[in-house]
Amino acid sequence: GENVEQHPSTLSVQEGDSAVIKCTYSDSASNYFPWYKQELGKGPQLIIDIRSNVGEKKDQRIAVTLNKTAKHFSLHITETQPEDSAVYFCAASKGDIPTFGRGTSLIVHP
Amino acid sequence: GAGVSQSPSNKVTEKGKDVELRCDPISGHTALYWYRQSLGQGLEFLIYFQGNSAPDKSGLPSDRFSAERTGGSVSTLTIQRTQQEDSAVYLCASSPGGLISGANVLTFGAGSRLTVL
Repeated sequence: GENVEQHPSTLSVQEGDSAVIKCTYSDSASNYFPWYKQELGKGPQLIIDIRSNVGEKKDQRIAVTLNKTAKHFSLHITETQPEDSAVYFCAASKGDIPTFGRGTSLIVHP
Repeated sequence: GAGVSQSPSNKVTEKGKDVELRCDPISGHTALYWYRQSLGQGLEFLIYFQGNSAPDKSGLPSDRFSAERTGGSVSTLTIQRTQQEDSAVYLCASSPGGLISGANVLTFGAGSRLTVL
């Protein structure tokens, strides 16, 4: 089955800096790559996603890039703010059931 | 409803007792998922429903775990003879399913936190 590795497990940045979270996947047939943000006490919430026919997608301060050849994808957050502090999960899917990475705890210091 | 609703939000039980966790998905969503999140861990897949049938039960950790879905809507996850290692947050998610655009975009509930003493 699919295996998703996510790094780093913890990321600490200063407000205004950029943050990058990286994921690799094992199944070349995977074609859908969502990113979720989980705040304390809440369920994960979709923040951005990308499909395998697109190399990059942007939405305001967040962007996701996909390299199908290398089977890796990354989340980029620019101009980080304290409210970006949360756990971020990547996932990979080729059908109905996404496989999630282990999560990255992002801490943005004011 | 407007979102995925889970109950109870918190459950404390004694080892050996049975527990039931309920998930009410977004109206019209045909796909429903259960994941388990242990402290500091990722999202562990448990089971997936398409309508009332469960084509993939591969993630259920033991035969003490079972789930059902009735009327293509509400789902119940049952854990029998609970053990301390069952302590975790149990997350439910639903998605539109089918072949439409966004069919596999999951919306999660807030989770049910289970503590087994």
